[in-house]
Amino acid sequence: EVRLLESGGGLVQPGGSLRLSCSASGFIFSGYAMSWVRQAPGKGLEWVAGISVSGSGGGTYTAGSVMGRFAVSRDDSKNTLYLQMNSLRVEDTALYYCVKEKYVAVSVCDSWGQGTLVTVSS
Amino acid sequence: QSVLTQPPSVSVAPGQRVTISCTGGSSNIGAGYNVHWYQQFPGTAPKLLIFDNTNRPSGVPARFSGSKSGTSASLAITGLQAEDEADYYCQSYDSSLSVVVFGGGTKLTVL
Repeated sequence: EVRLLESGGGLVQPGGSLRLSCSASGFIFSGYAMSWVRQAPGKGLEWVAGISVSGSGGGTYTAGSVMGRFAVSRDDSKNTLYLQMNSLRVEDTALYYCVKEKYVAVSVCDSWGQGTLVTVSS
Repeated sequence: QSVLTQPPSVSVAPGQRVTISCTGGSSNIGAGYNVHWYQQFPGTAPKLLIFDNTNRPSGVPARFSGSKSGTSASLAITGLQAEDEADYYCQSYDSSLSVVVFGGGTKLTVL
C-alpha cells in the first residue's frame, strides 16, 4: 500500500521560509516522479512543483506562481521528497499535498498524501 | 482563472447520468495532452478517477468513464448514487505555460 506522509507545515510570517518533507513507503520511490499540489482554503487544486526520476535526468518543474521561490528535490536513499519554500507570501497559504506520479515523468497524480497545512500570516 | 474550464456545479437526481465537461485550448487538451480526472470528498485528499483520457484505475467502478475530443474532455457518471456527491477536477498539461494544469473543479450534488 502506498503511503505518503507530509510534515513541516506550520505558521510562518510573510517573507519567511519553510521546508516540507514527504516520507514515502509501499512502492519503489526511486522509480516514480513525484509532485507537490496545493489547495488554498475553500479553493481548487493547484500544481506547485514536480520532479522526474533521477534515472531520467531528475528534471524539476515549477509553477510560475512559485518559480524562483520554491524548489523541489528528492533523496531516493531516504525515500523522501522535499519542497523548500522561501519568500513566502500570504497567498501561499494552503494545504500542501505530496503526490506520487503514475509514471517516471510528471503527468498523472496516482496517489496522494493527507497534506500539511502552511499558513502565511503576520 | 483556470486554463481548463469546468462548470462550477451540477445537480442530478439519483440513478441518472451526468457529464462534467473540461474545456481547454490548443496548448493543452487540443495539443494532444492527456486528461485525467480526480474525485475529492470534503476534508479528504483527492483520488485518481480516470487517467489518460479513458482509463480507470483498479477499484474505480465502471459507472465512471472519460472521453476526449478536440479541445475538450468529459467525465460521465451513470447510475448516480448519493455517495458520488463530491468535487471533481480535470487535469492536463499546458505547453505554453509549461506546467501541469487543473480545472477549477465541479461540485456534484445528488438531489
